[in-house]
Amino acid sequence: DTGVSQDPRHKITKRGQNVTFRCDPISEHNRLYWYRQTLGQGPEFLTYFQNEAQLEKSRLLSDRFSAERPKGSFSTLEIQRTEQGDSAMYLCASSLIQGFSGNTIYFGEGSWLTVV
Amino acid sequence: SQQGEEDPQALSIQEGENATMNCSYKTSINNLQWYRQNSGRGLVHLILIRSNEREKHSGRLRVTLDTSKKSSSLLITASRAADTASYFCATGSGSGTYKYIFGTGTRLKVLA
Repeated sequence: DTGVSQDPRHKITKRGQNVTFRCDPISEHNRLYWYRQTLGQGPEFLTYFQNEAQLEKSRLLSDRFSAERPKGSFSTLEIQRTEQGDSAMYLCASSLIQGFSGNTIYFGEGSWLTVV
Repeated sequence: SQQGEEDPQALSIQEGENATMNCSYKTSINNLQWYRQNSGRGLVHLILIRSNEREKHSGRLRVTLDTSKKSSSLLITASRAADTASYFCATGSGSGTYKYIFGTGTRLKVLA
């Protein structure tokens, strides 16, 4: 079990640049989530996929943010025209749907973004 | 927006003591999960408790769920310095949506 993998782990970028994060979920997991976390706060939901379908997007996900999960495998989160307020840790998680009452979600180590 | 709120926000105890953290939430849920996060790291899953369960154990961890009060507690017995971390609850609700909403976290410090 290789766990959820995120890349890069750290990214420093200048304001206005575009950045892309990649997430490789646990194999056979059909759900994939993106969260954002700032210092001292809990993770905030951004979006999630079931297979390749993006089922929900948070209002936090402005039009500068886009997420994809082609073929229902890895996912990318792209931030265009970065702003200093985008500085945060971006967390990816995955889970396997089993029944109605819920399932464990497993997180990666996160990708730190610093916008200077 | 945060669904859950952990209480206390910060807790400092001596090694060997028990630590209790509470989580309150606002809407009905299907399940609730507890996570640990070491500084600057990802979240590590601890326990999932379903809405029809009242208590679960895993090693030194004990989780209770009271759906009538919309609250859960996490008890860590015989704490160790390595338990120093932030602890979060996450609630899953909705029919098949499983969008997990996290609380604000409890920062636990265990003093050796």
